[in-house]
Amino acid sequence: DAKTTQPPSMDCAEGRAANLPCNHSTISGNEYVYWYRQIHSQGPQYIIHGLKNNETNEMASLIITEDRKSSTLILPHATLRDTAVYYCIVRVITSGTYKYIFGTGTRLKVLA
Amino acid sequence: GAGVSQSPSNKVTEKGKDVELRCDPISGHTALYWYRQSLGQGLEFLIYFQGNSAPDKSGLPSDRFSAERTGGSVSTLTIQRTQQEDSAVYLCASSPLAGGVFTDTQYFGPGTRLTVL
Repeated sequence: DAKTTQPPSMDCAEGRAANLPCNHSTISGNEYVYWYRQIHSQGPQYIIHGLKNNETNEMASLIITEDRKSSTLILPHATLRDTAVYYCIVRVITSGTYKYIFGTGTRLKVLA
Repeated sequence: GAGVSQSPSNKVTEKGKDVELRCDPISGHTALYWYRQSLGQGLEFLIYFQGNSAPDKSGLPSDRFSAERTGGSVSTLTIQRTQQEDSAVYLCASSPLAGGVFTDTQYFGPGTRLTVL
């Protein structure tokens, strides 16, 4: 019952911006969007999260549409080390507890 | 500081045997999560502990799976009578989530790769 849909794979040239889209059309008003990435054989790593405003940190920017039905993760200058599976996740609250619904993610390959 | 640690890193067992997987969260983190990741798949939520509250077990796939968290720190995930379909990487994460806070970040361990023969 994933609440997000992402393209299964994308390629990006090294040094260019990587724009990873995510659809979350059934998101509720108090549900946050999180992005994590998973480099091969490692545990997922937090990247960024947001509710309705655009966010930026040292790793990436997160652009959320006004209707909150989709978002885009932007890696401004992709490097080879950014090759990973990127997960867009909606954090839901059910019965007072938090649950993260992971989809299958986007496999980003950064090309030299 | 130390991150989330899990042990063992790899576990090979025979079908029908019980296994215990351990997670040591980051000190002071009140929330702890277990996930399962089958080969080439995304993460599947299993169970969530928050402080002293009753855990959210809604993701446990069967009654062969159980988990406990002693003293609000270390957690053990137990799988009884293992089946081949239980083969996966089991990931643990902890979070400094505090009551009333609506944002949190999960810090993941490296996982335990379980192979059931």
